[in-house]
Amino acid sequence: KQEVTQIPAALSVPEGENLVLNCSFTDSAIYNLQWFRQDPGKGLTSLLLIQSSQREQTSGRLNASLDKSSGRSTLYIAASQPGDSATYLCAGDTGANSKLTFGKGITLSVRP
Amino acid sequence: DAGVIQSPRHEVTEMGQEVTLRCKPISGHDYLFWYRQTMMRGLELLIYFNNNVPIDDSGMPEDRFSAKMPNASFSTLKIQPSEPRDSAVYFCASSLFGGGNEQFFGPGTRLTVL
Repeated sequence: KQEVTQIPAALSVPEGENLVLNCSFTDSAIYNLQWFRQDPGKGLTSLLLIQSSQREQTSGRLNASLDKSSGRSTLYIAASQPGDSATYLCAGDTGANSKLTFGKGITLSVRP
Repeated sequence: DAGVIQSPRHEVTEMGQEVTLRCKPISGHDYLFWYRQTMMRGLELLIYFNNNVPIDDSGMPEDRFSAKMPNASFSTLKIQPSEPRDSAVYFCASSLFGGGNEQFFGPGTRLTVL
C-alpha cells in the first residue's frame, strides 16, 4: 500500500527565506504528482501537477520536482511571504488508476 | 466556471441519523472523487466515478456509506446511520480525465455527529 511522508509536519520561517518542502513515497513508481495548498477551513487548491512525462513544473515563485528513481518530490518556494502561510500537501498516483494518495501535509508559517 | 460546489458546508447531526452530502462537479469533467479528511488519518479517497459509473469504492469504510451519481452534474454521499466517528470534513473533487489530470476540490462539508 502506497504511503506518503511529509516531514516536518510544521515549519516556521521568516519572510523572504527560500524554502524546500519534501515529500516521499514508499512505492517509487509514481506516475503523476500533484502539490496542493490548503488554507484553514478551506478546500484544496492545486498548485502544480507533474505528469508522467515530466520531471518538474514551475509557477511563479513555486517549483516542484519529482525524482522517480527515489520516489521523492520537492516543492521549492522562493522569497517566501506571509501569504504563503498554509498547509501544503503532495499526492501521487501510480498510473494504473486515477487514485491519488496524499501526504498529511506540512503546515507552513511565514513570519513577517 | 463556479468550480466544484458542495452542500451543505456544515452539518451537525445526532448519532443514528441519515446524512446526505451533495456535490456538483465542474461541467465537462468526467471524473468525480469523494474524500474524507481527519486529523488522525489525513485525506483518504472514499470512492470515485468515471462518467457517472463507480469505478473504485474500496475506500468506503463500511456499508453505512453509499454514493451515487445519477447524472454528470450531481453526486451524493450518504451515511446511514451516522456515528460520531464519521465526524470529518468530506471533500468532493473532479477532473477532466483520469490519471495525470489535475483534480479540483470543492470547499468541503464539515460533518459533526453528536
